[in-house]
Amino acid sequence: GDSVTQMEGPVTLSEEAFLTINCTYTATGYPSLFWYVQYPGEGLQLLLKATKADDKGSNKGFEATYRKETTSFHLEKGSVQVSDSAVYFCALSDGLESNFGNEKLTFGTGTRLTIIP
Amino acid sequence: ETGVTQTPRHLVMGMTNKKSLKCEQHLGHNAMYWYKQSAKKPLELMFVYSLEERVENNSVPSRFSPECPNSSHLFLHLHTLQPEDSALYLCASSQDRGYQPQHFGDGTRLSIL
Repeated sequence: GDSVTQMEGPVTLSEEAFLTINCTYTATGYPSLFWYVQYPGEGLQLLLKATKADDKGSNKGFEATYRKETTSFHLEKGSVQVSDSAVYFCALSDGLESNFGNEKLTFGTGTRLTIIP
Repeated sequence: ETGVTQTPRHLVMGMTNKKSLKCEQHLGHNAMYWYKQSAKKPLELMFVYSLEERVENNSVPSRFSPECPNSSHLFLHLHTLQPEDSALYLCASSQDRGYQPQHFGDGTRLSIL
């Protein structure tokens, strides 16, 4: 079955540091890949996505490139801010029929990021 | 205005109580979802509704009962819950079933005594 593996947290960085959160996946078919972010006390928000190999998703200074050869979708940001403190979830949608049709998102366990001033 | 609104934000209940979680979406979406978020576990998709039609997840215990009276509202009725059911319950919606991305509410934090 599909699975998503994220680096274990928590991750603590100083403001303006470079961020990488690793994500690798296993899927049948040709999945779409997503990064969601969950700020304290809130639900998940889509941060960025990529729908095919070599696509780069970007938003709010974050980037992730869909690497089919390494089955990875690592999240990066060049200079983090305190406001980036949140939990980050990598997810995939394989687009194949299942009991739920093709809307099923498979999530990783999340990586908690804390940025200190 | 928040696209997906969940109430209550927090709920504490005993194992013998009956309560309901409510979700409302203001986005004109046709599909709605219930997820369970437990500590250190991936989000678990519990139920999907598309145009008020339910798609079952057979691994969800019958003590969880969803209801979708129309495409804007989704309920999760709870009865005789267990301590391991304590979690954050998230509602989401998308334009249509199979369409990404999904838009999430802020969740209901449920604690079972």
